[in-house]
Amino acid sequence: AQSVSQHNHHVILSEAASLELGCNYSYGGTVNLFWYVQYPGQHLQLLLKYFSGDPLVKGIKGFEAEFIKSKFSFNLRKPSVQWSDTAEYFCAVNADNAGNMLTFGGGTRLMVKP
Amino acid sequence: EPEVTQTPSHQVTQMGQEVILRCVPISNHLYFYWYRQILGQKVEFLVSFYNNEISEKSEIFDDQFSVERPDGSNFTLKIRSTKLEDSAMYFCASSELWQGDEQFFGPGTRLTVL
Repeated sequence: AQSVSQHNHHVILSEAASLELGCNYSYGGTVNLFWYVQYPGQHLQLLLKYFSGDPLVKGIKGFEAEFIKSKFSFNLRKPSVQWSDTAEYFCAVNADNAGNMLTFGGGTRLMVKP
Repeated sequence: EPEVTQTPSHQVTQMGQEVILRCVPISNHLYFYWYRQILGQKVEFLVSFYNNEISEKSEIFDDQFSVERPDGSNFTLKIRSTKLEDSAMYFCASSELWQGDEQFFGPGTRLTVL
């Protein structure tokens, strides 16, 4: 069965700092990859997704992620974070042998200090 | 923007009691899901549902669980005889298409079993 690892459980940054959150998965087949964000008191919302094509995908609010197949990674980046980016970030994988089931990583809590 | 809604937001029940968690998926979506997150753990897939049938279910989704679409708008998760370990946040999600499509999540129902 596939699994997803997010290495950073808590990240604290100052505004304008750059962000990179790691995500690795374990599955050798074809995958669809997602980053979801949960702002305090709100739903899980999709930030971006990768299905195929250009491995560098751009999402909402200036976020981007790069799929590196050889490393089984899909790291999330943002060049300059804002206080409003304070949230929990979840990486999720849908494997081609798993219907539409999403397998989530453990989440990373990001706190951005103003 | 259309949203997935869930009721109640918080449910407290005694061990052994039956609970029904309710969800209203986005109206033109055809695929429905339940996930749960035990405090401090990952979001875990429970079940997916399409065309009035379960499409996939995880090992967690045992005989104590059932899902139903009783009418054209609601999607319910029933736990027949709750256990302490069923205490978790339960998320409903829906998607328009099958594999790889974005899943839209509801705000969750926090279930506390005493």
